[in-house]
Amino acid sequence: KQEVTQIPAALSVPEGENLVLNCSFTDSAIYNLQWFRQDPGKGLTSLLLIQSSQREQTSGRLNASLDKSSGRSTLYIAASQPGDSATYLCAAGEYGNKLVFGAGTILRVKS
Amino acid sequence: GAGVSQSPSNKVTEKGKDVELRCDPISGHTALYWYRQRLGQGLEFLIYFQGNSAPDKSGLPSDRFSAERTGESVSTLTIQRTQQEDSAVYLCASSSGTGYGELFFGEGSRLTVL
Repeated sequence: KQEVTQIPAALSVPEGENLVLNCSFTDSAIYNLQWFRQDPGKGLTSLLLIQSSQREQTSGRLNASLDKSSGRSTLYIAASQPGDSATYLCAAGEYGNKLVFGAGTILRVKS
Repeated sequence: GAGVSQSPSNKVTEKGKDVELRCDPISGHTALYWYRQRLGQGLEFLIYFQGNSAPDKSGLPSDRFSAERTGESVSTLTIQRTQQEDSAVYLCASSSGTGYGELFFGEGSRLTVL
């Protein structure tokens, strides 16, 4: 059974810092890896999708990498801003695009 | 529609009552997913549809839970004889259904069972 772990569980940084969120998964036979953000009381917003054949994806200040063989993905956020404060979730895509989620990293960016 | 729409956004019910939660996916998306998020916990997969068929119902917690989809569009998640442990946010997502593309989530239906 796929298990997804995210480290750290919470992170508080001053504005402007570059930061790294980590995600690991136990079964490397995934079809994709997706990163989301969730704001309090809201649904999930898709940030980046990495297909299993890809190594990384970039969108603006966000960069996500995928190493299937080691069961790891990393989300890099450059020049963090208070508006980046949210819970960040990674999810491993299984057959049928069924996602298995980690518990999330709660990020707070202080101004 | 422009995004995934869910209703009601909030539902308070008494233990033992039945509830229906509705999901309207992005137009043209053939795959539809239901997840549950209990307070302070991660998202749990419930069921997914490809078209009107449900190839994977493995996450439904008990036979009190059922879901259907009609017209390859709207889906309804029904919880019968609700229990307090059913209190959660129920999230719906859709994707194009071809390949393994992005899932787009609705804002969820918050269910409180008193």
